[in-house]
Amino acid sequence: SQQGEEDPQALSIQEGENATMNCSYKTSINNLQWYRQNSGRGLVHLILIRSNEREKHSGRLRVTLDTSKKSSSLLITASRAADTASYFCATSGNTPLVFGKGTRLSVIA
Amino acid sequence: DAGVIQSPRHEVTEMGQEVTLRCKPISGHDYLFWYRQTMMRGLELLIYFNNNVPIDDSGMPEDRFSAKMPNASFSTLKIQPSEPRDSAVYFCASRSGTGDNSPLHFGNGTRLTVT
Repeated sequence: SQQGEEDPQALSIQEGENATMNCSYKTSINNLQWYRQNSGRGLVHLILIRSNEREKHSGRLRVTLDTSKKSSSLLITASRAADTASYFCATSGNTPLVFGKGTRLSVIA
Repeated sequence: DAGVIQSPRHEVTEMGQEVTLRCKPISGHDYLFWYRQTMMRGLELLIYFNNNVPIDDSGMPEDRFSAKMPNASFSTLKIQPSEPRDSAVYFCASRSGTGDNSPLHFGNGTRLTVT
């Protein structure tokens, strides 16, 4: 299965700290996307990294992709209370996006 | 742009009843997806459409589930008869373009409770 699996399942940090979440997958991919889900809401797209890219930045977000290890990481720098949410990776190959179960991030003010 | 609109936001029904969930995708998007989210199984893809045509329904759990997209601006997911194990949050998402590099746009979901 292409399904990504996030690690850790839950993460609690203090405001201002960095948060790192990891994603592993099993098959070859075209791209990997990260999404955020606030409680009671739908998922929101954060960033996409293509299979031929190794690193991408967007604001306080930094995503890396290592296709040899079939893994990706999402770093949120200088976290804020508003970053509290669940974060999902999703992989895309020959089938539509398949999501992992997510990392629940709690940022404590 | 109003985004993907789902209705109702919450649905509580008794086992055996028919349930219909509705979705209006973003105008111009030619792909529409139905996902189901539970704590145990995470986000599962149920079915997706391209230009109103069902492409892959292998994720639909049973014959009790059916989905239609009569036109580009409307889709329904029907469960008949409903069972308690169908309780979940159902999401509709849409995207545009060919290939799979376009991000998905999700609605805020329908929380279904079957008692």
